[in-house]
Amino acid sequence: DSGVTQTPKHLITATGQRVTLRCSPRSGDLSVYWYQQSLDQGLQFLIQYYNGEERAKGNILERFSAQQFPDLHSELNLSSLELGDSALYFCASSVDVSTYGYTFGSGTRLTVV
Amino acid sequence: AQSVTQLDSQVPVFEEAPVELRCNYSSSVSVYLFWYVQYPNQGLQLLLKYLSGSTLVKGINGFEAEFNKSQTSFHLRKPSVHISDTAEYFCAVGRHSGGGADGLTFGKGTHLIIQP
Repeated sequence: DSGVTQTPKHLITATGQRVTLRCSPRSGDLSVYWYQQSLDQGLQFLIQYYNGEERAKGNILERFSAQQFPDLHSELNLSSLELGDSALYFCASSVDVSTYGYTFGSGTRLTVV
Repeated sequence: AQSVTQLDSQVPVFEEAPVELRCNYSSSVSVYLFWYVQYPNQGLQLLLKYLSGSTLVKGINGFEAEFNKSQTSFHLRKPSVHISDTAEYFCAVGRHSGGGADGLTFGKGTHLIIQP
């Protein structure tokens, strides 16, 4: 157990729907990162939050959004889902934002049918 | 922007043999370098990282990697592999000046297959 908790572990939904993925960071970590792992694109950085504020955006689609709450958990919202959004979505957390000292969660596998 | 090339998508090795997984990167700025391992149906686990200092970095599970700035490489090695090393291995880079906020750039991964 890495200490980073992601729920749900698996999610199956239809095209056009909206889902929310949840991440609880490791105790004491203020920063949360979201990554997408797909067969086509590999592992891609989506977005980072630090202590409730967005710090950086990567290759995140406009249909996707995220936020970090006062208790530091984070949610990734995916809307108007397409078949190509099927992927593993990882959350990582860190206390040290200067050297990429990540701890990854075990991921949420999203299948869009 | 940075890019990472893992030259082999799959590497089969016999148990107890040595292995080298190759990684080359491209960046116009100084970077930090990482190797992660992903076991089936699990998240990514950090094997080792190069931030500064000695170019030979030792990690967990007997793995080590050497940073070669002139060749822009960060190859991963293990002198004797075990069946439990079967997994996907990812090389990644992150900008010094990004302060962690840019996210890591990952290679496509190398599947290490250990044959008995």
